[in-house]
Amino acid sequence: DTAVSQTPKYLVTQMGNDKSIKCEQNLGHDTMYWYKQDSKKFLKIMFSYNNKELIINETVPNRFSPKSPDKAHLNLHINSLELGDSAVYFCASTVAGYTDTQYFGPGTRLTVL
Amino acid sequence: SQQGEEDPQALSIQEGENATMNCSYKTSINNLQWYRQNSGRGLVHLILIRSNEREKHSGRLRVTLDTSKKSSSLLITASRAADTASYFCATDAYSNYGQNFVFGPGTRLSVLP
Repeated sequence: DTAVSQTPKYLVTQMGNDKSIKCEQNLGHDTMYWYKQDSKKFLKIMFSYNNKELIINETVPNRFSPKSPDKAHLNLHINSLELGDSAVYFCASTVAGYTDTQYFGPGTRLTVL
Repeated sequence: SQQGEEDPQALSIQEGENATMNCSYKTSINNLQWYRQNSGRGLVHLILIRSNEREKHSGRLRVTLDTSKKSSSLLITASRAADTASYFCATDAYSNYGQNFVFGPGTRLSVLP
């Protein structure tokens, strides 16, 4: 069974649209994350979230918002998509915090036209 | 330079040779982790070394950590074509956004048959 799954795998959309990417982990982990990997392969953390705390990287535009319906899910909503949002987005989870091994999803390649 | 910066950016070797990748970081850490990313896939955890450890082995992987120099190296022995991937080091670090998990830009390893 897939430990961390994301849907969709590919997302192509027009500028200005609103879209969501879903993430689910079946590992029983407490903390989940969203990362953005740009075309140069730089991987940058966007959010970390557990049932107590949401930590937002302040360089992330407020058009991006994480939504967690329960401990196993952390979805990423993006409003008013821009060309620069094109990237691969990875979800990850850890047992507790940053010092633990991160388990990554397969990624969602977002292309904004 | 960035926290968790790998060197070299790209490395091309023949099958059977050893591959060495280096990572430098700036702040104090609790641990340092190495991840592999195959093309079009998510990151896979390889090995974690804690700040009080100097060397760690896992199969054909050997990781060293020198906290005085704030550097780590990943050695892959007897490389195989299947080792072709990007390799990232990641550190837990404190930033303006609290404790964070920071990835370097990665080393692209190509193992030629």
